[in-house]
Amino acid sequence: RKEVEQDPGPFNVPEGATVAFNCTYSNSASQSFFWYRQDCRKEPKLLMSVYSSGNEDGRFTAQLNRASQYISLLIRDSKLSDSATYLCVLTGNQFYFGTGTSLTVIP
Amino acid sequence: GAVVSQHPSRVICKSGTSVKIECRSLDFQATTMFWYRQFPKQSLMLMATSNEGSKATYEQGVEKDKFLINHASLTLSTLTVTSAHPEDSSFYICSATLSVGLPDTQYFGPGTRLTVL
Repeated sequence: RKEVEQDPGPFNVPEGATVAFNCTYSNSASQSFFWYRQDCRKEPKLLMSVYSSGNEDGRFTAQLNRASQYISLLIRDSKLSDSATYLCVLTGNQFYFGTGTSLTVIP
Repeated sequence: GAVVSQHPSRVICKSGTSVKIECRSLDFQATTMFWYRQFPKQSLMLMATSNEGSKATYEQGVEKDKFLINHASLTLSTLTVTSAHPEDSSFYICSATLSVGLPDTQYFGPGTRLTVL
């Protein structure tokens, strides 16, 4: 079983829509969780860390559910510029990357 | 924020030649640097973990004699692809973690696109 499982999508949503991604993980000892954003042919950039209490940054909300072993990312009021691949990353003995979820926001 | 640079950003070489890629943390000291490879439409694949002053730890299936990693200082790691072949053509990305503060956060370089003819 993979350490991190992520729905690759693609998710095609209209501007203004709300979209959510989930990422499940298998190692209950995982310590830290992150969402990264990767644009086509570019490097991943840190979007936000994920905490059990949940954290919000503008239109983005991240949540960690340790009991069910998943993290989520919610994007509200989608913009065209949100189109990218979103990677979940967690740390345990090493860093583990999801395969990424592709999001396209359509005008 | 922490900045990581990579050089070169793009390289095209002939089959059989060696290519060196540099990864530098510009405004912080990096405990650990990581080297990834990403093929089109695929996820990042960790190749090796590099700690300053010690030998790199390679992932299963990654040939250490083909992908030479040198981590000479807390701000510089290099990856040398030796005797490159067309199947080595890929996007190589390094990342670094801070020595203090938030060591779990990775900061990525802009990547190096290698094309082997």
